[in-house]
Amino acid sequence: GQQLNQSPQSMFIQEGEDVSMNCTSSSIFNTWLWYKQEPGEGPVLLIALYKAGELTSNGRLTAQFGITRKDSFLNISASIPSDVGIYFCAGQPAGGTSYGKLTFGQGTILTVHP
Amino acid sequence: GAVVSQHPSWVICKSGTSVKIECRSLDFQATTMFWYRQFPKQSLMLMATSNEGSKATYEQGVEKDKFLINHASLTLSTLTVTSAHPEDSSFYICSAAAGGADTQYFGPGTRLTVL
Repeated sequence: GQQLNQSPQSMFIQEGEDVSMNCTSSSIFNTWLWYKQEPGEGPVLLIALYKAGELTSNGRLTAQFGITRKDSFLNISASIPSDVGIYFCAGQPAGGTSYGKLTFGQGTILTVHP
Repeated sequence: GAVVSQHPSWVICKSGTSVKIECRSLDFQATTMFWYRQFPKQSLMLMATSNEGSKATYEQGVEKDKFLINHASLTLSTLTVTSAHPEDSSFYICSAAAGGADTQYFGPGTRLTVL
C-alpha cells in the first residue's frame, strides 16, 4: 500500500543537539501525526496536525503540516537521553475510502549520546 | 485522557493453539479500532479495521479466518490468532479512534511468541 517517505532512517546525536526529521508523500494528506515508540511499547502520540501550514509545539517538540499538504517535519530542540526511540510520522490521505485509516512512515531511529 | 489498554502484554503458546488479545479504550468510546502487526525495527503494518457492531475490514494478504476480530462494544475489540504457528510470532498493537476523529491512540502492544 501507499507509504510515506520518512528521513532520516536513523540519527546519532549528542545530548543538547537539535534534531529534525521529515516525511513526504506524492499525494495530499488531510492529517499528519507524529508518534514516538520505545522498545516493547506501543506508539505514543506526540503532535497532531489538521490544517495545512499549521505549526504546533509540545514542549521541546515542534511539528508543521506542510503548505502543499504533502509533507510534514518534526523538530526536537536540546535533545536529552530520554528522547531515544523510534519516531513515526503518520497521516490520513485525502480522498481515502477507508475512514480513519493511517499511512505510516518507515520510522526514524534516534540515539542520543550523553 | 485517550488511554488504550491491551491484555495480555505478552503471551507464549504452543503451535496449534489459539490466542485472544483484548484491546480496550479506557476513557473514551472508540467507534473504530485498528489492529497492527510490527516486526523488529520495522514500521506498523495494518492488519484490519474494526468498527463496532459490524464485520472487520481486512487488509490485502491478511487471512480473516486466521485473525478473527470482534468489536462487540464501543470500548472493546478482540483479536484471536487461531491455530497459531511460529511465523505468527510478532508484536501486535491495537489503536482506537473516537467517532469523527482522525487521531489514533495506541495500546501498549502484545508480544506473541509461538513455540
